[in-house]
Amino acid sequence: GDSVTQMEGPVTLSEEAFLTINCTYTATGYPSLFWYVQYPGEGLQLLLKATKADDKGSNKGFEATYRKETTSFHLEKGSVQVSDSAVYFCALSSGGFKTIFGAGTRLFVKA
Amino acid sequence: NAGVTQTPKFQVLKTGQSMTLQCAQDMNHEYMSWYRQDPGMGLRLIHYSVGAGITDQGEVPNGYNVSRSTTEDFPLRLLSAAPSQTSVYFCASSPARNTGELFFGEGSRLTVL
Repeated sequence: GDSVTQMEGPVTLSEEAFLTINCTYTATGYPSLFWYVQYPGEGLQLLLKATKADDKGSNKGFEATYRKETTSFHLEKGSVQVSDSAVYFCALSSGGFKTIFGAGTRLFVKA
Repeated sequence: NAGVTQTPKFQVLKTGQSMTLQCAQDMNHEYMSWYRQDPGMGLRLIHYSVGAGITDQGEVPNGYNVSRSTTEDFPLRLLSAAPSQTSVYFCASSPARNTGELFFGEGSRLTVL
């Protein structure tokens, strides 16, 4: 079945450092891919999405490119801030009724 | 704009007790779902609904019941609580039949003793 694998955390960075959180997926067909963010004590929020190969999703300085050849959707940000500290989830939807989530990666950003 | 509202936010139960987690959305979304979040396991789908009167099982449905009598409400019932059901529960909705773009509630933390 469909699945999502994310790099294990926690990831600890200093402010203004470059961020990469790896995400790979297994799916039949051509899924849509998503990154969600969960701030402490809150529900998940959609951060960005890509619906087809080579699409780049972007939002709030975060980017991710849908790479079909490597089945990857890595999240990047050029300069992280303390306010980016959160848990990040990679997810996919294959057009059915189920969205599959990765285990989540916790990010800590130090001032 | 309320979005997706879950109640209660916190609940402690004893083994064998039953309870209902409430979920309501005011966005007229067709699709609603319940997930549980456990450390290291991400979110796992319990049940979902694609419209009033239509529900189906997700990945981990055992021990849970749902119903969808209106577009707005999608309650999750624990029939006989077990310690393995200690978790954080999230309700989510989507405007279409699950495009993958989900709107989440703030979660309900349940502890079963």
